[in-house]
Amino acid sequence: SQQGEEDPQALSIQEGENATMNCSYKTSINNLQWYRQNSGRGLVHLILIRSNEREKHSGRLRVTLDTSKKSSSLLITASRAADTASYFCATDVRGGSNYKLTFGKGTLLTVNP
Amino acid sequence: DTAVSQTPKYLVTQMGNDKSIKCEQNLGHDTMYWYKQDSKKFLKIMFSYNNKELIINETVPNRFSPKSPDKAHLNLHINSLELGDSAVYFCASSQDWSEKLFFGSGTQLSVL
Repeated sequence: SQQGEEDPQALSIQEGENATMNCSYKTSINNLQWYRQNSGRGLVHLILIRSNEREKHSGRLRVTLDTSKKSSSLLITASRAADTASYFCATDVRGGSNYKLTFGKGTLLTVNP
Repeated sequence: DTAVSQTPKYLVTQMGNDKSIKCEQNLGHDTMYWYKQDSKKFLKIMFSYNNKELIINETVPNRFSPKSPDKAHLNLHINSLELGDSAVYFCASSQDWSEKLFFGSGTQLSVL
């Protein structure tokens, strides 16, 4: 089964509203990352939060991490139509002797003008 | 200049054919990856290379063979293509395994 699971699977809001997406994971991590994917494009890194951090900001993005609950949330404030995209969380997972970055299935965010 | 570039963007082919996807990064990164994204947007790692050395092979059928001629290039060759291989394949790179990934724009593979 997957390491990361985003919730909700889809979210539709009006421009100007805030959007919150959640990610839960199963095993201990070193860091958790959030990515955005516009339709038909590659993933773009948004923010990385390390296991010893609880909150991080980048522009209109706010990420929180609760390692005791193995969960993270991504908040986009004052959303814009251009924020319409799929958002993925990714966690580093030890696979044998090596680490790998494992992605969830994503949250599809639609921001209506 | 595109940081991670992969070609072709679209690949339509018949079952049983052999095809290759090329990837190049100009970021000076040591680690490169191939990911497969299925129709439900699930992104799964296939391979990772560090300085031309295979680090992760994620139980991918041996019809898939990655090749890294140098640390800036990671190509993916697929033999005897099957219908289930239809997906979007992404190349990515990072300076270190735990750091952020830079993705290419993807190759949409359709096997008919």
